[in-house]
Amino acid sequence: AQKITQTQPGMFVQEKEAVTLDCTYDTSDQSYGLFWYKQPSSGEMIFLIYQGSYDEQNATEGRYSLNFQKARKSANLVISASQLGDSAMYFCAMREDTGRRALTFGSGTRLQVQP
Amino acid sequence: GAGVSQSPRYKVAKRGQDVALRCDPISGHVSLFWYQQALGQGPEFLTYFQNEAQLDKSGLPSDRFFAERPEGSVSTLKIQRTQQEDSAVYLCASSLGTGASNTEAFFGQGTRLTVV
Repeated sequence: AQKITQTQPGMFVQEKEAVTLDCTYDTSDQSYGLFWYKQPSSGEMIFLIYQGSYDEQNATEGRYSLNFQKARKSANLVISASQLGDSAMYFCAMREDTGRRALTFGSGTRLQVQP
Repeated sequence: GAGVSQSPRYKVAKRGQDVALRCDPISGHVSLFWYQQALGQGPEFLTYFQNEAQLDKSGLPSDRFFAERPEGSVSTLKIQRTQQEDSAVYLCASSLGTGASNTEAFFGQGTRLTVV
């Protein structure tokens, strides 16, 4: 069963506007972490933001915020004031506290910021 | 170095050739992971080391894939008798801790393997 689902293969956004990238997940663990990574065309995976399953507040890091809805098992990434340099692939990932220690990734969303 | 370093960045191998991919993690990082990323897909887990111990190799797709981390720092992923379906980017990641859910993983730039 797919544990991380990203339903948007591609998204467009105008420069300076906000955009939401969707992510839903599936786990029976009570304790887990959710991550978002950015992958530019150069290939490296850049960590953006983390949300723990027990965190009551939504995580924020600069222009990035994570809209965490635990009951719906969703962890959407919100990028405010988009910049041309935000154009990249974005991956949602999860790590469960029990079982495998590696990250499980979604299939990604390609974001293109238009001037 | 400051980040995770992988070499080579690009590798072209003839089908049937053996290849070795190197990962130099951040100094002091206990955990090391290898992932395989096919074109247009998210990374898929291959194997996990805690120091020199390979604790999980459940993601290795066949017995042609072998990984080691003999001294608990540098790791090598070896693929024997490469096949075209092995063509992918191989990503290495390291983290300071031993896998608690909030431990951030730092990734290298990957090795793009093309089997011809």
